[in-house]
Amino acid sequence: KAGVTQTPRYLIKTRGQQVTLSCSPISGHRSVSWYQQTPGQGLQFLFEYFSETQRNKGNFPGRFSGRQFSNSRSEMNVSTLELGDSALYLCASSLLVNANEQFFGPGTRLTVL
Amino acid sequence: DAKTTQPTSMDCAEGRAANLPCNHSTISGNEYVYWYRQIHSQGPQYIIHGLKNNETNEMASLIITEDRKSSTLILPHATLRDTAVYYCIVLIQGAQKLVFGQGTRLTINP
Repeated sequence: KAGVTQTPRYLIKTRGQQVTLSCSPISGHRSVSWYQQTPGQGLQFLFEYFSETQRNKGNFPGRFSGRQFSNSRSEMNVSTLELGDSALYLCASSLLVNANEQFFGPGTRLTVL
Repeated sequence: DAKTTQPTSMDCAEGRAANLPCNHSTISGNEYVYWYRQIHSQGPQYIIHGLKNNETNEMASLIITEDRKSSTLILPHATLRDTAVYYCIVLIQGAQKLVFGQGTRLTINP
């Protein structure tokens, strides 16, 4: 069974731009969660989608948004990029919502210049 | 949120058992112990979890003390590919999000 895939793997943007990241979950998994990981803050939860609906949300500004499609694939968008948005963005899928056993993708490394 | 204490780093010889300790003295009765690891430049990987009984899967064994205040993750025959940061976390079922502490940086030496 194929794992979680994320595209692109690396991305360089400048301040003020917007970016869209994509995640394809493991086949059959209906929940997709997004996390931001930085050396200083560690792993921080952004939001979780299940059946095309946002079920949980972390403490991030409205510039961070997401959506999920009927095939469970998910996208995350960050508008008006700031230097502090530079991070590894991780997507994790699971069978059910609020599952503690999550399967992570390799991440998208975003650098904001 | 992280209610666990782990050593910052550990070393282990290839082929030996790697024993990673974790203290969670304030764990409550409905909280599980979960272990994840993150190999450099990859996403975190689920390893194992348990409530109060010892658990074993194809990757590792988890030993939880009787009072549940500490646990040990055992990698029975460590390989170089097991070099990673290992995170011990305590969660109730359906906790909504994972919160990692600093973890233990395990280095497997040839």
